[in-house]
Amino acid sequence: DAGVTQSPTHLIKTRGQHVTLRCSPISGHKSVSWYQQVLGQGPQFIFQYYEKEERGRGNFPDRFSARQFPNYSSELNVNALLLGDSALYLCASSYLRDFSPLHFGNGTRLTVT
Amino acid sequence: TQLLEQSPQFLSIQEGENLTVYCNSSSVFSSLQWYRQEPGEGPVLLVTVVTGGEVKKLKRLTFQFGDARKDSSLHITAAQPGDTGLYLCAGEYGGSQGNLIFGKGTKLSVKP
Repeated sequence: DAGVTQSPTHLIKTRGQHVTLRCSPISGHKSVSWYQQVLGQGPQFIFQYYEKEERGRGNFPDRFSARQFPNYSSELNVNALLLGDSALYLCASSYLRDFSPLHFGNGTRLTVT
Repeated sequence: TQLLEQSPQFLSIQEGENLTVYCNSSSVFSSLQWYRQEPGEGPVLLVTVVTGGEVKKLKRLTFQFGDARKDSSLHITAAQPGDTGLYLCAGEYGGSQGNLIFGKGTKLSVKP
């Protein structure tokens, strides 16, 4: 079975631009979560979507938005990019039940110059 | 705000040595998960501990959840170069499936 796939793998943008990151979950998983991992830190929760509805939101500015499609794939959008948005963006999918493990993709490395 | 303090941040040891990584919080978690992440890849789940005092073993790795479900430890016996990587603990609190609080990670290097 295919794991969580993310695209693109790497991206370079300049300050002020907009970026869209994409994620396809494992087949059968209806929950998708997005995390930001800055170099040297653990992942930080951004959003969770389940059945196309936002289920949770971390402490990120409104420049960050996301959505989930009927096929459960998801997009993360970031507007007005700042240098501090440079990070590895991880997508994780899971079944939505207690103690269900997250399955992470390999991430999108975003560099903002 | 729930926080997970992980220590040590860096660990460099020789093959065959034992080590322990700690994960502490002032908050109670419904479960605690340990992940391992290699460069260029996403974290991969090693284990989930749920019950206070629970001990789980995965080959040379032993995971323990504190009695009060506020802390956890990972012990590796006879470390091997293949154990090299970033070890992350992550706490899940009630009703927050998919929303994990991660520690900063422990970067382990095992030299042959």
